[in-house]
Amino acid sequence: RKEVEQDPGPFNVPEGATVAFNCTYSNSASQSFFWYRQDCRKEPKLLMSVYSSGNEDGRFTAQLNRASQYISLLIRDSKLSDSATYLCVVNYWNFNKFYFGSGTKLNVKP
Amino acid sequence: NAGVTQTPKFQVLKTGQSMTLQCAQDMNHEYMSWYRQDPGMGLRLIHYSVGAGITDQGEVPNGYNVSRSTTEDFPLRLLSAAPSQTSVYFCASSYLPGLAGGKPSTDTQYFGPGTRLTVL
Repeated sequence: RKEVEQDPGPFNVPEGATVAFNCTYSNSASQSFFWYRQDCRKEPKLLMSVYSSGNEDGRFTAQLNRASQYISLLIRDSKLSDSATYLCVVNYWNFNKFYFGSGTKLNVKP
Repeated sequence: NAGVTQTPKFQVLKTGQSMTLQCAQDMNHEYMSWYRQDPGMGLRLIHYSVGAGITDQGEVPNGYNVSRSTTEDFPLRLLSAAPSQTSVYFCASSYLPGLAGGKPSTDTQYFGPGTRLTVL
């Protein structure tokens, strides 16, 4: 079983749509959670950290549910420039290891 | 700050050749790591280091060696290249969590631009 699992998609949505991604993790010892964005053939870049209380950054909202061991990312008012692959990442502090999901591909169409 | 730099950007090797992928960071991060990314498989951890002189294996360490003689540099060595090592390699660095109040944002990883390696 993978440490972090994501729906690979692709999610094909029109501009202006709201889209949500979920990610599940297997180890309850996970202590840091992130969403990264990766454009084709480029390095991953931090989109946002995910805090226990949930957090928002403009059109992006991240939620953490420790009891069910999943994190989510909500994108409102999708833009063409949001087209990318979104990676879910968890860090197990005790093991000094970051685990990445395989990524969810988003295509925003005009 | 240059952030995380990697060289070379592209490399073609023949089976059996050896080479070193270079990685450097100027953010004084304790933690450095190497990942490989293959289509449909996400990023897989090869080796990591929590400080100078300390390294450890990740998920897919076979065929690779690392060393960490300084805080800044973390080279990855391919001992005898094989076609299965054709991949995109990313180096990343971060602070160790818990050293600045344990807030999640302190262990954000920063990635280099990647090295695209083809082994023939």
